Amino acid sequence: QSVLTQPPSVSAAPGQEVTVSCSGTSSNIGNNLVSWYQIVPGAAPKLLIYDNNKRPSGIPDRFSGSKSGTSATLGITGLQTGDEADYYCGTWDSSLTGVVFGGGTKVTVL
Amino acid sequence: EVQLKESGGGVVKPGGSLRLSCSASSFTFENYAMTWVRQAPGRGLEWVSSISSNSRYIYYGESVKGRFTTSRDNAKSSLFLQMNSLRVEDTAVYYCAKGPTKVIEDWFDLWGQGTLVTVSS
Repeated sequence: QSVLTQPPSVSAAPGQEVTVSCSGTSSNIGNNLVSWYQIVPGAAPKLLIYDNNKRPSGIPDRFSGSKSGTSATLGITGLQTGDEADYYCGTWDSSLTGVVFGGGTKVTVL
Repeated sequence: EVQLKESGGGVVKPGGSLRLSCSASSFTFENYAMTWVRQAPGRGLEWVSSISSNSRYIYYGESVKGRFTTSRDNAKSSLFLQMNSLRVEDTAVYYCAKGPTKVIEDWFDLWGQGTLVTVSS
């Protein structure tokens, strides 16, 4: 059971948009910054978003992040087949004194 | 190419020990905090441990505290995870990940491909 709650899966057609939600509490998302990671099977995890909404260099602006209260959202526009992967949110948990992650969301391109 | 490469995974019996290594290349290893994250089969990511750039601060997740020890050798650009008293539930792919600064932070901008640890009798 992960500390942060994500939907198990989301899907959309190529070119469409998907959003992945990440729900937490005041101990984690509510008072800390959120990051997002993409894991393609067999590849190293990749940082997509940090500090709620900042993109590292090389990450296309099709990926976006936002946070409101104790929830965060990853958005992917112009969905491509290469976006099929598992996506994880992460943040610091002040009560647990450590990093916590969501259970992951599988994005499927129909 | 900037990269991290884990090694040392394998099959071990419950109660046994294993030492993982993570070799860094093409960046100044001593300038960054490092972290171990694991993923059990069919499960999500779980933070294991983080170490500051100078090894002054080391934090552990509750599930591994007292059993695992994280260390680093900046001269060799290497990160280590000594795992003792291993349990079946420690079975996972173990990733090493680089932090963005010298201090321990909660996001990681470079990850390795992971090494599989299987604890089974």
